[in-house]
Amino acid sequence: DGGITQSPKYLFRKEGQNVTLSCEQNLNHDAMYWYRQDPGQGLRLIYYSQIVNDFQKGDIAEGYSVSREKKESFPLTVTSAQKNPTAFYLCASNRGQGSGQPQHFGDGTRLSIL
Amino acid sequence: QKEVEQDPGPLSVPEGAIVSLNCTYSNSAFQYFMWYRQYSRKGPELLMYTYSSGNKEDGRFTAQVDKSSKYISLFIRDSQPSDSATYLCAMSGAAGNKLTFGGGTRVLVKP
Repeated sequence: DGGITQSPKYLFRKEGQNVTLSCEQNLNHDAMYWYRQDPGQGLRLIYYSQIVNDFQKGDIAEGYSVSREKKESFPLTVTSAQKNPTAFYLCASNRGQGSGQPQHFGDGTRLSIL
Repeated sequence: QKEVEQDPGPLSVPEGAIVSLNCTYSNSAFQYFMWYRQYSRKGPELLMYTYSSGNKEDGRFTAQVDKSSKYISLFIRDSQPSDSATYLCAMSGAAGNKLTFGGGTRVLVKP
């Protein structure tokens, strides 16, 4: 079955620690996205990537970093510079810019502060 | 003011009733419109996807887009308890790429 796999499901971060969230897709999609979801605020775009080895900042990129070394993988690192990291993080993918295709989502990672 | 407005609810209806959801938006460049359903602790699941104005029906679900009024709707007929979830509207411009989401409406269908 094709889909998007996010891991871990739950993650805890200590003060001053960087943590990395995994996102893998086997849909052969070119574009991948990271969103943050806070209660009552909908989803906000952190970073997105249209193609391997290229990515752009979204609306709330500060305190986060990404890499796109493989088409299937788009890991997100929450750095110690992100002062309010507690949220539900969602990864999505689609065929890419201009495709007019909707984004499909993984089941998220819930990050909490210890 | 948010670019996409959506009533947070909760919206409580009896089983079998029609659920009516809507979003308003301010950016006239939006051309692609989506509705997602999200269960607790899960990712959003795509329900409906429409391009520009008009109606689209899929089973018990009907999506409507009125670009002149900057208003989109989702109707769920013969609602079931399994329809209890948060419903998110989302939209994007011509590139169909960067999505802007509403805050979501929580729906509760009571048996």
